[in-house]
Amino acid sequence: DSGVTQTPKHLITATGQRVTLRCSPRSGDLSVYWYQQSLDQGLQFLIQYYNGEERAKGNILERFSAQQFPDLHSELNLSSLELGDSALYFCASSVVPYGNEQYFGPGTRLTVT
Amino acid sequence: AQSVAQPEDQVNVAEGNPLTVKCTYSVSGNPYLFWYVQYPNRGLQFLLKYITGDNLVKGSYGFEAEFNKSQTSFHLKKPSALVSDSALYFCAVRPLNAGNMLTFGGGTRLMVKP
Repeated sequence: DSGVTQTPKHLITATGQRVTLRCSPRSGDLSVYWYQQSLDQGLQFLIQYYNGEERAKGNILERFSAQQFPDLHSELNLSSLELGDSALYFCASSVVPYGNEQYFGPGTRLTVT
Repeated sequence: AQSVAQPEDQVNVAEGNPLTVKCTYSVSGNPYLFWYVQYPNRGLQFLLKYITGDNLVKGSYGFEAEFNKSQTSFHLKKPSALVSDSALYFCAVRPLNAGNMLTFGGGTRLMVKP
């Protein structure tokens, strides 16, 4: 168990809908990262937050947004969902923004029908 | 832009035999290199990392990796494979000056047969 928690574990929703994925980092970790894992795109970095501020952006669609709250938990919001958004979404955390290893949560499996 | 290649989609090895999972990378400057393992229905687990120093890095569960700058490789190795090592393995790189975002390879499925 990495200490990173993600909810929900599974999410099934329809196209056009909006969902929110939640992540709580390991105790003491200030930086949170979101990744998307899909069969065709592999594992891709989406976005990073550090202590409430956006730190780095990867291949994140404009329909997606994220934030990190004062208690350091983070939420990833996915809107106007398309079939291709079906994937496993991972959250990871590290102590500092340039910290070495990242610790991953168990993921949220999103299925868009 | 940085990239990571894992040339083998799957590696098959018999239990007790040595295993190697290959990884090559392309990055500007000095890289930070990582190996992660993913078991079915689980998140990624950190195995080991190379930052600087000794080219042979030892990690969790008896795994080690060798950094080769001239060949831009970071192959994962284990002297004696276990059936329980069967999983999906990811190599990742973080360029020195690119924040902490990781670029992952496509993954290699390791199958260890009894």
